[in-house]
Amino acid sequence: GIQVEQSPPDLILQEGANSTLRCNFSDSVNNLQWFHQNPWGQLINLFYIPSGTKQNGRLSATTVATERYSLLYISSSQTTDSGVYFCAVAYGGSQGNLIFGKGTKLSVKP
Amino acid sequence: ETGVTQSPTHLIKTRGQQVTLRCSSQSGHNTVSWYQQALGQGPQFIFQYYREEENGRGNFPPRFSGLQFPNYSSELNVNALELDDSALYLCASSLGSHAWAEAFFGQGTRLTVV
Repeated sequence: GIQVEQSPPDLILQEGANSTLRCNFSDSVNNLQWFHQNPWGQLINLFYIPSGTKQNGRLSATTVATERYSLLYISSSQTTDSGVYFCAVAYGGSQGNLIFGKGTKLSVKP
Repeated sequence: ETGVTQSPTHLIKTRGQQVTLRCSSQSGHNTVSWYQQALGQGPQFIFQYYREEENGRGNFPPRFSGLQFPNYSSELNVNALELDDSALYLCASSLGSHAWAEAFFGQGTRLTVV
């Protein structure tokens, strides 16, 4: 099956700093989503981005499908950005279920 | 528009017991998927329901079963609970069961088996 690898596994930033999170996947995908898991466990949708570039406020994402990676950019980080960021993919053989990476744990210090 | 809601939020059960978790899909969504998330790991797919039928299953034993109702809400049942079943259980809904459907998650049910 498809493999999803996220890097780095842990990231500590000072408030105001910028960061880039990476997601590599081992095969073609029909769906790629980025999520932020808050301290209470809920997965918050950030981007649905199987290809191309999107921006939402301080966050943006780019997926280069031909090279099988996606990047999540966080600019001017805030303490509320802390949590775990997951990349998840789905492909034709997965019947729509998402395959998750292990996540990047982000800690933003004041 | 109502988002995905799960109940209960927390639950403590004894090994060997049975548990039922519930999920209401987002308005207009007809597909529900269940995931198990162990501490420090990414969510793992359990199964998916579409049009009241199981539409795919991950690597979970038969004591994990489910239902989907005509209003698209769903239940996850786990029999003969084991200590390793302690985890966060997440429900996701989507419009359609195809791979490109965007999934939206509920807040999860945290199950502790003692």
